[in-house]
Amino acid sequence: LAKTTQPISMDSYEGQEVNITCSHNNIATNDYITWYQQFPSQGPRFIIQGYKTKVTNEVASLFIPADRKSSTLSLPRVSLSDTAVYYCLVGDSNYGGSQGNLIFGKGTKLSVKP
Amino acid sequence: DSGVTQTPKHLITATGQRVTLRCSPRSGDLSVYWYQQSLDQGLQFLIQYYNGEERAKGNILERFSAQQFPDLHSELNLSSLELGDSALYFCASSVFSGGLQETQYFGPGTRLLVL
Repeated sequence: LAKTTQPISMDSYEGQEVNITCSHNNIATNDYITWYQQFPSQGPRFIIQGYKTKVTNEVASLFIPADRKSSTLSLPRVSLSDTAVYYCLVGDSNYGGSQGNLIFGKGTKLSVKP
Repeated sequence: DSGVTQTPKHLITATGQRVTLRCSPRSGDLSVYWYQQSLDQGLQFLIQYYNGEERAKGNILERFSAQQFPDLHSELNLSSLELGDSALYFCASSVFSGGLQETQYFGPGTRLLVL
């Protein structure tokens, strides 16, 4: 089973760039890496997804090195409203002979201070 | 608002009981996923259905079962409830084009408290 490891928490200040790294050993060849954001008492919300190299959208960038054993979510110029838990998700197609399993990391609690 | 609805919002029950959680996916989405989120275990994938058929299974206990109906709504049945089953249960949906890496849209969750 692919496993993911993320820092438990991070602190930042408004206007700073925040980078959150997720380690995922045994990631399968066809697996994508997806990041979700979750606010208290709400369901996770999709932020960005990638397979390799770099992906950028209007809210974040995702950096994936050539060996794909890790990925880094980059949030530019964070604001107080970015305070949330961020999850790294890796699809694991090696589990149990079925289509696969979905391994969420434990999440990184980001606190943005004024 | 993701477009995914879940009922009930809150549920309080006793150990040994059975409950049913309901999920309606976004319009047009064929796949439904169920997750359990507790403080000590994080977000755990339970099971996925696609167009009425089970597609993938995660860490789902034998006391739990799910199904997806012809109108694509899904139900998660939890039986012989234990204190440790107290958690937030999320449903998510996606269009589904063949893999597990699609963007999932999560509902607001059902908070289950077993006393």
